[in-house]
Amino acid sequence: AIQLTQSPSSLSASVGDRVTITCRASQGIRSALAWCQQKPGKAPKVLIYDASSLESGVPSRFSGSGSGTDFTLTISSLQPEDFATYYCQQSESYPVTFGQGTKVEIK
Amino acid sequence: EVQLVESGGGLVQPGGSLRLSCAASGFTFSDHYMDWVRQAPGKGLEWVGRSRNKARSYTTEYAASVKGRFTLSRDDSKNSLYLQMNSLEIEDTAVYYCARVSSNRNYALDYWGQGTLVTVSS
Repeated sequence: AIQLTQSPSSLSASVGDRVTITCRASQGIRSALAWCQQKPGKAPKVLIYDASSLESGVPSRFSGSGSGTDFTLTISSLQPEDFATYYCQQSESYPVTFGQGTKVEIK
Repeated sequence: EVQLVESGGGLVQPGGSLRLSCAASGFTFSDHYMDWVRQAPGKGLEWVGRSRNKARSYTTEYAASVKGRFTLSRDDSKNSLYLQMNSLEIEDTAVYYCARVSSNRNYALDYWGQGTLVTVSS
């Protein structure tokens, strides 16, 4: 199974900060990577698919980059509603796998 | 509007069985692959399995942790996805989500239900 390792596991940031989360795959997955956001008690919501494509309705402050084994999710200017846990997910091969999550907290 | 509504969760004893349902609306269910994903209390997301569409002969894939115990099925006439869970273990305690797979988004899970809680305990 392809392992996805996210870093950091958690971070504290202030409103307006630029935040970067990385996801490293244990083997190449081309661009078959999505990022989702989950708030407490809620279902996950997709933000980015195909490594860098912004899902419809998602604010443009979210962006994704990378291919192969190294990927990045960037929030250009953190907003209060962005405090949540973020997961990467690969769909290159079975089993589908998720990263362990990155919790973004208020500083 | 795409909607996915899970049901069937509850309390079950170890070794018992439970069947989850996911009712879909707002899109052509028969066109889509569908997934189950679970989340144990305080933990991350774990993929459970996938049901492909009729074009792919309704074939299925499973996580190693549930293979042989869980069975995915679907009824396109009812726009419904199912998860039959047998030989349940305490470690299967989780919120279970159904999710739509988007083939034109490189198989990202683009819509999720609100989840249904399964508790395995004696």
